[in-house]
Amino acid sequence: ETGVTQSPTHLIKTRGQQVTLRCSSQSGHNTVSWYQQALGQGPQFIFQYYREEENGRGNFPPRFSGLQFPNYSSELNVNALELDDSALYLCATPGTSGGGGTDTQYFGPGTRLTVL
Amino acid sequence: DAKTTQPTSMDCAEGRAANLPCNHSTISGNEYVYWYRQIHSQGPQYIIHGLKNNETNEMASLIITEDRKSSTLILPHATLRDTAVYYCIVRAWWGAQKLVFGQGTRLTINP
Repeated sequence: ETGVTQSPTHLIKTRGQQVTLRCSSQSGHNTVSWYQQALGQGPQFIFQYYREEENGRGNFPPRFSGLQFPNYSSELNVNALELDDSALYLCATPGTSGGGGTDTQYFGPGTRLTVL
Repeated sequence: DAKTTQPTSMDCAEGRAANLPCNHSTISGNEYVYWYRQIHSQGPQYIIHGLKNNETNEMASLIITEDRKSSTLILPHATLRDTAVYYCIVRAWWGAQKLVFGQGTRLTINP
């Protein structure tokens, strides 16, 4: 167990809608990263939040946005959903539960988003 | 772009050692080698990491060449549950938490 949880597990939306995905971590670390993983591909970095501020973004448009809360839980928001947004969305935080040290990223189980 | 190169797929017999190679010829002095694996539709699972010395934990061993341009992940006694995609990643030990994933190696353990 990584201590990183995500909700919901699965989600189906239609094109043009908006979606909010959630992530929380038992480690209480002040950094969270979000990744998108299309079918058959490796995860791609969306952005990172550090102390409630965005701190680095990958090649994703502004309709992908996020929030980090004082309790270090986090949200990923995607507006104007497109068919290509169908993917597994992963969040990751540093932690110590997995034996890798405080600088190792641990991933949640992901949210599978399907856009119809 | 990913800074590592891995074979697309590998097979290994159950009970044998699985040796997964990774090339990272452009690695810089402050970058670690990390290995993750991803079992179908689950989040990536941390396995092991190292800088220049060989490392071993309860899951695997990591052998890094002296020039640090390549490494090998060893699963000493592979089981069917080790079937997964294995990702080799290089990243600096400090600062940015961003991980750059390549395509990984799809390891299939055969009974």
